[in-house]
Amino acid sequence: GNSVTQMEGPVTLSEEAFLTINCTYTATGYPSLFWYVQYPGEGLQLLLKATKADDKGSNKGFEATYRKETTSFHLEKGSVQVSDSAVYFCALRENTGGFKTIFGAGTRLFVKA
Amino acid sequence: EAQVTQNPRYLITVTGKKLTVTCSQNMNHEYMSWYRQDPGLGLRQIYYSMNVEVTDKGDVPEGYKVSRKEKRNFPLILESPSPNQTSLYFCASRSSGAGQTYEQYFGPGTRLTVT
Repeated sequence: GNSVTQMEGPVTLSEEAFLTINCTYTATGYPSLFWYVQYPGEGLQLLLKATKADDKGSNKGFEATYRKETTSFHLEKGSVQVSDSAVYFCALRENTGGFKTIFGAGTRLFVKA
Repeated sequence: EAQVTQNPRYLITVTGKKLTVTCSQNMNHEYMSWYRQDPGLGLRQIYYSMNVEVTDKGDVPEGYKVSRKEKRNFPLILESPSPNQTSLYFCASRSSGAGQTYEQYFGPGTRLTVT
């Protein structure tokens, strides 16, 4: 079945450091890909998305490119802030059948001042 | 304001005592879903509903029930809770439709402890 694998955390960075959180997927067909963010005590919110190969999603300084050849959707940010501390989830949405969304295990990010 | 609400936010209960967690959305979304979040496992889908009176099992449905009598509401029912259902639960909704990439909107979560 379809699945999402993302790097284990926690990831600890200093403010203004470069962030990469790796995400790879296994899927049949052409899924849509997402990054969701969960701040402490809150539900998940959509951070960015990409619907087809080579699409780049971006929001709030975060970026991720849909790479079909490497089945990856890595999240990057050039300069993290303390306020970026959260749990980040990579997800894919099947584009057939029930259009189910499958989530990765999540990666916790700590940013130190 | 577009939102998904869940109640209660926190619940401590004992084994075997039936409970219901409510979920309501005000966006007229067809699709609603329940997830549980456990450390190291991410979010796992419990049940989902494509529309009123249409529900189906997700990946971990055992021990749970749902109903969808109205479009806006999608309660999660634990008939006889057990300690392994201690978890953080999220309700989510989105629009439906093939070829669309509608994001899911999540509720704030319900932290359930079963002793």
